Amino acid sequence: ILNVEQSPQSLHVQEGDSTNFTCSFPSSNFYALHWYRWETAKSPEALFVMTLNGDEKKKGRISATLNTKEGYSYLYIKGSQPEDSATYLCAFHFGNEKLTFGTGTRLTIIP
Amino acid sequence: DSGVTQTPKHLITATGQRVTLRCSPRSGDLSVYWYQQSLDQGLQFLIQYYNGEERAKGNILERFSAQQFPDLHSELNLSSLELGDSALYFCASSVGGQGSTDTQYFGPGTRLTVL
Repeated sequence: ILNVEQSPQSLHVQEGDSTNFTCSFPSSNFYALHWYRWETAKSPEALFVMTLNGDEKKKGRISATLNTKEGYSYLYIKGSQPEDSATYLCAFHFGNEKLTFGTGTRLTIIP
Repeated sequence: DSGVTQTPKHLITATGQRVTLRCSPRSGDLSVYWYQQSLDQGLQFLIQYYNGEERAKGNILERFSAQQFPDLHSELNLSSLELGDSALYFCASSVGGQGSTDTQYFGPGTRLTVL
């Protein structure tokens, strides 16, 4: 069984502060890692697809890094805003098969 | 709005019944994926279709089946429903058949309640 672990499960951050959280995955047979943002009552929205060790991707104030050798990815949010409140999901692709999702990090920004 | 549509939004039915969930992918996307989100569980991949053919299969029960039609819309059929089948069912689509590196665009989901 291949597991994707995300930590922490939930996080409260003051508006304006920066934060980061982790996605851990099996490092063998890595193919790709996806990050999604999921706001309450909406559907998951793709943020990044990462495939290469050392990859860094950025979208506005959100960025992600990937370490396939040790099996982790970090998602960073700089200068958190209330609209960043959401659950952030990572999903791991091994070989060329199904996408395995973590249970997410629920981020709440405190105004 | 991702461009993926799902109907119905909500469905309430009884145990033992059969339901059909429908998904229309984004224009130009050839792959459709089905996911189940149960209480306290992560998104579970059920099945993927690419251009009408089954491409990958996940933890899909034998009571469940899916298909993708020539116009690329997809239907997920759930039969002999049990209480535990109550969940949010998402459809996603992507351009190609490489679910690994293609960005998947999710629909709004169908919330199924089995009473």
